[in-house]
Amino acid sequence: GEDVEQSLFLSVREGDSSVINCTYTDSSSTYLYWYKQEPGAGLQLLTYIFSNMDMKQDQRLTVLLNKKDKHLSLRIADTQTGDSAIYFCADNYGQNFVFGPGTRLSVLP
Amino acid sequence: DGGITQSPKYLFRKEGQNVTLSCEQNLNHDAMYWYRQDPGQGLRLIYYSQIVNDFQKGDIAEGYSVSREKKESFPLTVTSAQKNPTAFYLCASSMRDRDTQYFGPGTRLTVL
Repeated sequence: GEDVEQSLFLSVREGDSSVINCTYTDSSSTYLYWYKQEPGAGLQLLTYIFSNMDMKQDQRLTVLLNKKDKHLSLRIADTQTGDSAIYFCADNYGQNFVFGPGTRLSVLP
Repeated sequence: DGGITQSPKYLFRKEGQNVTLSCEQNLNHDAMYWYRQDPGQGLRLIYYSQIVNDFQKGDIAEGYSVSREKKESFPLTVTSAQKNPTAFYLCASSMRDRDTQYFGPGTRLTVL
């Protein structure tokens, strides 16, 4: 079946850029997603990219997709303390979504 | 406002008791999902429903049951057969299966 991998932790300084990486195994996915989860809350859809796109930009967020390497990244420009959260990569594989384990982003003052 | 609601936010139960978690959506979505999240782990699919009166088991359905009598509602029952029920439970919905999923705020269940 599909497997989605992410590094578990990332620390950055406030004002720096954050880059969260994700790899997946299925090449037939239509969309790939990024969700954000704050402590004790549900998942908030941040952005998604159609599989025939290489890049999508939305304000401070940039998503890059390398289909050849099956690699997805989320760049957050000018990272703020409010960006501290867990970020999940997800892939709509088959009938359902497959989620990565999540990357915990810590923003240091 | 359209959205997904889950209740209660916190739930405590004694071992051996069944408990039902509520999930309601007013987005007119056909598909609904239940996930379990354990500390430091990703989401695991418990059950999903693509349409009213139909549902399928996910990866970890043992010890859980669901019903889908109305489009808006997809309650999850955690039975006494579930060996380790303490977790954070998330409900989601999508227009149709494979579409973008939107999540509720979650219910934290603790077994005492």
